[in-house]
Amino acid sequence: KAGVTQTPRYLIKTRGQQVTLSCSPISGHRSVSWYQQTPGQGLQFLFEYFSETQRNKGNFPGRFSGRQFSNSRSEMNVSTLELGDSALYLCASSLVGAENEKLFFGSGTQLSVL
Amino acid sequence: DQQVKQNSPSLSVQEGRISILNCDYTNSMFDYFLWYKKYPAEGPTFLISISSIKDKNEDGRFTVFLNKSAKHLSLHIVPSQPGDSAVYFCAASGGGTSYGKLTFGQGTILTVHP
Repeated sequence: KAGVTQTPRYLIKTRGQQVTLSCSPISGHRSVSWYQQTPGQGLQFLFEYFSETQRNKGNFPGRFSGRQFSNSRSEMNVSTLELGDSALYLCASSLVGAENEKLFFGSGTQLSVL
Repeated sequence: DQQVKQNSPSLSVQEGRISILNCDYTNSMFDYFLWYKKYPAEGPTFLISISSIKDKNEDGRFTVFLNKSAKHLSLHIVPSQPGDSAVYFCAASGGGTSYGKLTFGQGTILTVHP
């Protein structure tokens, strides 16, 4: 069974641009979550999608958005990029996103904002 | 407000000995706890989890202990191997609306010397 797949693996953007990251969950998993990892803040929850609906959201500005498609694949968008958005963005999937489910993570997209 | 804390940034042990990684939490609504292992620029890999109805869970060389009254959990690795060298994160979920959301500690860098 293939794991969680994230593309692209690396991305370099400049301030003010926007970026879209893609995530394909494990087959059969319908919940997709996004996390940001930075050296200073650690791993922080961005949002979660299930059946194309955002069910949960972390404390990030509206520049961070996402969506989920009918095949459970998900995209995350960051608009008006800032230097502080440089981070490893991780996607995770689980069957239904229940609280007692473990999450399976992809390898992440390393975003550098110059 | 850091709800999950790993107070030891790093731990160094000799191959064959026991590694003990500690984690404290403050949110009494948390009822599911997990440990993940992570290499740089990769996604976290699930190791072991424990529900709040248990105080111990074992899986091979890995054992997690939960002390609910102290809001403390620990991960024991016996025997430690050089391949165990990585960053270890504890994570927690719970509260009724935590769809896809894990709250992570800051991580502990484990180095196992041959």
